[in-house]
Amino acid sequence: SQTIHQWPATLVQPVGSPLSLECTVEGTSNPNLYWYRQAAGRGLQLLFYSVGIGQISSEVPQNLSASRPQDRQFILSSKKLLLSDSGFYLCAWTRPGGAAYNEQFFGPGTRLTVL
Amino acid sequence: GENVEQHPSTLSVQEGDSAVIKCTYSDSASNYFPWYKQELGKGPQLIIDIRSNVGEKKDQRIAVTLNKTAKHFSLHITETQPEDSAVYFCAASGGSYIPTFGRGTSLIVHP
Repeated sequence: SQTIHQWPATLVQPVGSPLSLECTVEGTSNPNLYWYRQAAGRGLQLLFYSVGIGQISSEVPQNLSASRPQDRQFILSSKKLLLSDSGFYLCAWTRPGGAAYNEQFFGPGTRLTVL
Repeated sequence: GENVEQHPSTLSVQEGDSAVIKCTYSDSASNYFPWYKQELGKGPQLIIDIRSNVGEKKDQRIAVTLNKTAKHFSLHITETQPEDSAVYFCAASGGSYIPTFGRGTSLIVHP
């Protein structure tokens, strides 16, 4: 069976510090990978998605970046955090392919607080 | 691009009542419509989905209906229980890798 992991679960960081959040998927190959942010409230804001190693698409211009160094690893980074980066970060994956395989499987999330 | 509207933003019901959440979408090419449930502090989990070749789907107390002509779909929960309390998201997707989510409905079931 497939599982998705995110760490850390909780993070408190000062403004201006760097960030690295990691997501890994087990039990599947060549997944599509996604990073979402959920600010106070409920909406899911898509930040990045990837359809393959080294292929990253950005949905929202900001001080965050993403990388996919391995097939099932997705990393969200920042060089300098802003207060507005606080939120609940969710990683998700879907099976490779197009519209017929768009069920998303979400990770447990990382709660980031920037002080 | 696709635009998904979800209503209501908050829904409060008594235990045992039914709850209905409605979504509309704009892209006629969308053909997959999932519903996710997000409990506090956790990631969303798929609870039911429907594809465009089906008008209705039911799974125990949960059902989803789809009207492709009107471009709307709805989630129906019958005999609500306190454990149904959560945030529910609808989504629509078609020919791209990117699903479009509604803004979510906070369902509160009072015992």
